[in-house]
Amino acid sequence: GDSVTQMEGPVTLSEEAFLTINCTYTATGYPSLFWYVQYPGEGLQLLLKATKADDKGSNKGFEATYRKETTSFHLEKGSVQVSDSAVYFCALISVYGNNRLAFGKGNQVVVIP
Amino acid sequence: GAVVSQHPSRVICKSGTSVKIECRSLDFQATTMFWYRQFPKKSLMLMATSNEGSKATYEQGVEKDKFLINHASLTLSTLTVTSAHPEDSSFYICSALPGAVLAGERDTQYFGPGTRLTVL
Repeated sequence: GDSVTQMEGPVTLSEEAFLTINCTYTATGYPSLFWYVQYPGEGLQLLLKATKADDKGSNKGFEATYRKETTSFHLEKGSVQVSDSAVYFCALISVYGNNRLAFGKGNQVVVIP
Repeated sequence: GAVVSQHPSRVICKSGTSVKIECRSLDFQATTMFWYRQFPKKSLMLMATSNEGSKATYEQGVEKDKFLINHASLTLSTLTVTSAHPEDSSFYICSALPGAVLAGERDTQYFGPGTRLTVL
């Protein structure tokens, strides 16, 4: 079945540091890929998405490129802020999955001033 | 646009009572809504898929008689936790899938802010 794998463990970094969160996927066909962000005590917000190979999603300084050859959708931001502290979820929807999102386990990102 | 609300945001109830959680799409019609459960420091677990005007489809292991879902209109789905027990305490999140194409966002789910349920 469809699945998403995110790197293990929380990520702690200093303000203005470079952030990378790895995400790889397994899916039938050509899924749409998403990054969602969850701030403390809140629901999920769509951060960015990409629907086909080589597409780059971007929003609020975050970027992720749909890499079909490596089945990856890594999230990057060049200079993080304290306000970026949140949990980040990688997810996919496959055309064969009845619109059901498959989520990764999420990564807690803590940005220290 | 594409705002989803949930009510209540937080509820505390006694063991054995039933709790209803509402999920509304405020500015679009959603033929499909999803209900998730999130445990502390865990990812989201899909509980069921709710389609307007038809019975919900439950994921394996989710008791349909305990978690009643009603999708009565294109903008409202409800989840009722019947005879709640402390192990039902969790963060419940809904999402909505637009029924019509919204500027290319056909496959994007929009999430509600979540409901924190605590059963004493």
